[in-house]
Amino acid sequence: QVTLKESGPALVKPTQTLTLACTLSGISINTTEMRVSWIRQPPGKALEWLARIDWDDDKFYSTSLKTRLTISKDTSKNQVVLTMTNMDPVDTATYYCARASPVTTSYGMDVWGQGTTVTVSS
Amino acid sequence: DIQMTQSPSSLSASVGDRVTITCRASQNIFMYLNWYQQKPGKAPKLLIHSASTLQSGVPSRFSGSGSGTDFTLTINSLQPEDFATYYCQQSYSTFGQGTRLEIK
Repeated sequence: QVTLKESGPALVKPTQTLTLACTLSGISINTTEMRVSWIRQPPGKALEWLARIDWDDDKFYSTSLKTRLTISKDTSKNQVVLTMTNMDPVDTATYYCARASPVTTSYGMDVWGQGTTVTVSS
Repeated sequence: DIQMTQSPSSLSASVGDRVTITCRASQNIFMYLNWYQQKPGKAPKLLIHSASTLQSGVPSRFSGSGSGTDFTLTINSLQPEDFATYYCQQSYSTFGQGTRLEIK
């Protein structure tokens, strides 16, 4: 059974850099067709896709946020790591990681973490 | 960037009703369209991928159709557990703004 779990700080100060980790269980991040995305959701608002990394280290970023985001793999820990620089209160949200199903052609995300809530405040 | 527009933003319906939610892409996305259901405090759940393929384990009262720029999610015979927020998503990226389905 494939599971994902997000971890990271619950509170960051404005201008700081946020680092979140998504730990995979039941599958290796290096498995062919493994694609992991980060998605966020501000309180009461819609989902926003942020970034994706593939098993072959291909990386994709939201156009509007790409200057602030870096996604990477830590194969030793079987994790996908997202960093977001210059945090602002508008970045307060629940951050999810999710896997794209390997059997879809539309990259539908079939396994999601529980989410981690990040508040940006001084 | 491709924009995804859902309508309506909210919808009231009764148990047993049939409801349709639409999603429009700002350019041709072929059939690279997913639908999710989200309940309060929970992660989204994949319902439909590739515009019309039902995800394993999802009840058959859910169906998706469309291609190109116009897509629909239909729920036949609404059940109490279907009252939630629904999102469309273009491929692996842009989400629609969501449709909140409420009990009438």
